Amino acid sequence: EAGVVQSPRYKIIEKKQPVAFWCNPISGHNTLYWYLQNLGQGPELLIRYENEEAVDDSQLPKDRFSAERLKGVDSTLKIQPAELGDSAVYLCASGVEGTYEQYFGPGTRLTVT
Amino acid sequence: AQSVTQLGSHVSVSEGALVLLRCNYSSSVPPYLFWYVQYPNQGLQLLLKYTSAATLVKGINGFEAEFKKSETSFHLTKPSAHMSDAAEYFCAVSKGSNDMRFGAGTRLTVKP
Repeated sequence: EAGVVQSPRYKIIEKKQPVAFWCNPISGHNTLYWYLQNLGQGPELLIRYENEEAVDDSQLPKDRFSAERLKGVDSTLKIQPAELGDSAVYLCASGVEGTYEQYFGPGTRLTVT
Repeated sequence: AQSVTQLGSHVSVSEGALVLLRCNYSSSVPPYLFWYVQYPNQGLQLLLKYTSAATLVKGINGFEAEFKKSETSFHLTKPSAHMSDAAEYFCAVSKGSNDMRFGAGTRLTVKP
């Protein structure tokens, strides 16, 4: 079974530039999560989807971050414009509602210069 | 609101020694508790989970954890450390709505 796929794995951009991350969850998983992981810290939830509906986006900085999950499968997380403090690893995870298990992708390491 | 505290950001053990990684939780409702492992440049992998069944939970790679309600703890143990156990370990708590909160992590180093 293929795992959660994320791309790109690494991204270096200059501040004020836009950037987008893509996630393809495990087939059949209706729940999808985007997390932010700063160096030396645990993941922090940015947004959670159940199918195509964002059911928890309370921690998403909506002035510069946006996300979508069209058709309830793939998802894209965008930052525009990026700031130096956005340098981190962005993790995507998927799961089946009610199972309390989340399966993580390898993450995208963003460096903003 | 639920949260977890991992005691010790860095633990170092010798190969073959006992591994003990500490986690205390705070939750207003009966919690679901998890341990994840993260190897360098990889995502998190589930080691084990507690979901209100047996209090002693066995996971992959020889790890286990015991849920102690009286101590609000969910410590992770392994009788004999292996070099391949070196990684970052995260404890997490959920109140059952797929809303998971992670600790800051503990980096395990295994010395030969």
